[in-house]
Amino acid sequence: NAGVTQTPKFRILKIGQSMTLQCTQDMNHNYMYWYRQDPGMGLKLIYYSVGAGITDKGEVPNGYNVSRSTTEDFPLRLELAAPSQTSVYFCASTPRGGNTEAFFGQGTRLTVV
Amino acid sequence: AQSVTQLGSHVSVSEGALVLLRCNYSSSVPPYLFWYVQYPNQGLQLLLKYTSAATLVKGINGFEAEFKKSETSFHLTKPSAHMSDAAEYFCAVSENTGRRALTFGSGTRLQVQP
Repeated sequence: NAGVTQTPKFRILKIGQSMTLQCTQDMNHNYMYWYRQDPGMGLKLIYYSVGAGITDKGEVPNGYNVSRSTTEDFPLRLELAAPSQTSVYFCASTPRGGNTEAFFGQGTRLTVV
Repeated sequence: AQSVTQLGSHVSVSEGALVLLRCNYSSSVPPYLFWYVQYPNQGLQLLLKYTSAATLVKGINGFEAEFKKSETSFHLTKPSAHMSDAAEYFCAVSENTGRRALTFGSGTRLQVQP
């Protein structure tokens, strides 16, 4: 019962570098999300997906891209890292239908220097 | 658009004292409401959820919350704080249609003094 798994847990990037944050879930959930958490700000939605092949922007999408080729995987791509992207990133998933909660991964702490 | 306001970014209580963390929301439709807890360097764990059944919701670790529509509130309480309750707590409201994403409050850090 792995749930939502994120890798890596920690990463330091230099300005202008690129990286992909990996997220996979084994619960067959349709909905998947990427949030970023900044101190004192709660979590903000970056991108979301309602199913394989369907993605859309959240509130803070600039500087990020996503894809959803399978139900299980929802990677987040940073193309040109900037210091403003220093944050903790959480992936989450929710099943289709009903009043169910989101299940979260353990987070990726990213520092851009 | 939905929004969540958590009053008090930091709350400090003594061990054994009442815990009260405040949450007010705005939503144009009947909301689904959640409280999550985050321990240091961990992900978010669900404490409890309101989904239009009973207005008093009981969660894990002795926490409960009451949905008050007239006050648009969903405050979190625990009768007696334990040292292990020290963590950050987030109130969230869910869109029950469309993308079904969560809108979070800014969080309340709970300290428990011995």
